[in-house]
This record gives sequence, C-alpha cells and structure tokens, in this order.
Amino acid sequence: GQNIDQPTEMTATEGAIVQINCTYQTSGFNGLFWYQQHAGEAPTFLSYNVLDGLEEKGRFSSFLSRSKGYSYLLLKELQMKDSASYLCAVIDSNYQLIWGAGTKLIIKP
Amino acid sequence: DAGITQSPRHKVTETGTPVTLRCHQTENHRYMYWYRQDPGHGLRLIHYSYGVKDTDKGEVSDGYSVSRSKTEDFLLTLESATSSQTSVYFCAISESAREVTDTQYFGPGTRLTVL
Repeated sequence: GQNIDQPTEMTATEGAIVQINCTYQTSGFNGLFWYQQHAGEAPTFLSYNVLDGLEEKGRFSSFLSRSKGYSYLLLKELQMKDSASYLCAVIDSNYQLIWGAGTKLIIKP
Repeated sequence: DAGITQSPRHKVTETGTPVTLRCHQTENHRYMYWYRQDPGHGLRLIHYSYGVKDTDKGEVSDGYSVSRSKTEDFLLTLESATSSQTSVYFCAISESAREVTDTQYFGPGTRLTVL
C-alpha cells in the first residue's frame, strides 16, 4: 500500500529553527508538495520538489531525497503565525496526490 | 488567492437525508477535486473531474456522487447521509494533473455534521 509518515505534533520556540520530516512509500513518484494549514482554514501551497536537493523560499526550505523516500520542511526564524499543520503530499505514478496526516506545529513564545 | 468558493460553509443534517455541496471557481481551471479531511487522516480524495461531464472516483467514493455540468461548478452529493460522513469537505482546483508542477488550490471548506 501507499503510505506517507509525518510526526503528529511538534513544538518549537519563537525565533528558533524546526525541521518537519516526511517519509513516503508510494507506487511511483512524480513530485512532493508541502502545504500549510491553519486551524479551521484551507491548505495553502508552500513548496514543490521533484529533484533531489534543497529548495529555498524565504524562511522556508524543502529538501528531497528520492532514493531514501524522504523529505523535510525547514522553517527558520519561527514566528507565532507559523503555528499550523504542515501537510506532505506525494504525486504517485497515476498522478494522484497521496496525503500524509499532517504535522501540527506549536510555537511557544 | 484562487477564486474558489464553497457552499454551504456549515451544515447540520440528519441521517438518511440527501445533501449537496457546491464548489464554484472563477479560474477556468480544468481539474476539480472533492476531498474529505478527518482527524488522524490525510486528505482523502472522494471524486475528481477533468472536464465538463468527465468525472472519476477517488479513494473514498462510496456513498458519494458528483456532477459537473459547467466548468465553474462541481457538485458533491450524499444520496443518504450517514454519521460516518461527518467531516470537513474541501474542494480543490488545478490547471492540470499531468503537469507535475501544477498546484492544487483549495476552497475554504464545508463542515458537515450528520446526526
């Protein structure tokens, strides 16, 4: 079966750095997305990786290793507004998005 | 933000009643999707559409039907609602599904409670 694993919950301190990991086992791979979802709101797009390596976008970076079936989202200079759930999703060989259950990130002052 | 609206935003209904949720887009995107989101689960695809009157089943399609008579509207119907269908329902759109860099944009969601 297809599976995406993320930690259920993480806690970090304002101003610090946090890394949210995602491991996947899917039938084929055509790319990986990270989305942010604030409580009670819709998911919003953060990043997309299809090649190995690090993609940087401001305070957020996303890394992919296809050989290891692994990605992480790195958030720097954490702000209170970064408190949200972060969803990892993989495009499989049928071009369907397979979603992880999400990681709830709690930021403390 | 992509122009996607969902209606109603909240609905409480009783077991056995039919329910229709509407998704409306102003982006003229070809692909539209219905997902449900439940605690402890990732987003799960119910049905999707790749054009007017072209739809296909997703992972959790049992008990749901869809229709798309216009590019801008995608309807999700629960023929006879059950308590297991209590969930938050999200509509999403994308320009394509085979252009792998294409992103899905989500509507604000509908919170459905079946008593």
